[in-house]
Amino acid sequence: DVKVTQSSRYLVKRTGEKVFLECVQDMDHENMFWYRQDPGLGLRLIYFSYDVKMKEKGDIPEGYSVSREKKERFSLILESASTNQTSMYLCASSTSVQTQYFGPGTRLLVL
Amino acid sequence: GQQLNQSPQSMFIQEGEDVSMNCTSSSIFNTWLWYKQDPGEGPVLLIALYKAGELTSNGRLTAQFGITRKDSFLNISASIPSDVGIYFCAGRRAGGGADGLTFGKGTHLIIQP
Repeated sequence: DVKVTQSSRYLVKRTGEKVFLECVQDMDHENMFWYRQDPGLGLRLIYFSYDVKMKEKGDIPEGYSVSREKKERFSLILESASTNQTSMYLCASSTSVQTQYFGPGTRLLVL
Repeated sequence: GQQLNQSPQSMFIQEGEDVSMNCTSSSIFNTWLWYKQDPGEGPVLLIALYKAGELTSNGRLTAQFGITRKDSFLNISASIPSDVGIYFCAGRRAGGGADGLTFGKGTHLIIQP
């Protein structure tokens, strides 16, 4: 079974803090994705990566950056957290872009 | 990014009833996926469709890839309480780049015992 894990299920941070969200997959997938999910807006793609050290902007990259130093790990970074970044963050991975497997999500609250 | 039109937004049904939901798009898709998300969890893949006209079942779930390649539906037969959740369709556009999937906004399924 594909396993995608995220470092935290719940996080509470203060405005201005630097936040790291970690995602690890154990199936040697090339592609990894970060989404945020908000009520009424569905899932929106923040960044994705199709290889180590490669990254591409998704639909809403502003305020975020990513890092992919190893194939199995994809990190999402909030350089200076703001309250409008309070959301559910979902990581996904795939061998091809057709079928993505999701992690359990990290619910981030920025105060 | 483009969103898929998923309907209905929510469904209130009795246990044992059949459920039907669908997704449509103005663009042609070469892949359709259906996910289920339980509260506080990530989406879990239910069914993947890769060919126009394809009809695939997974237990009580059946999904079809529309022949026009612009729509897909998901049916759940004889619903049970654990079917409660949010169901998402997702698709990959034909000729699209490596930019992930396009998602519907979800169908909330609520089952009354």
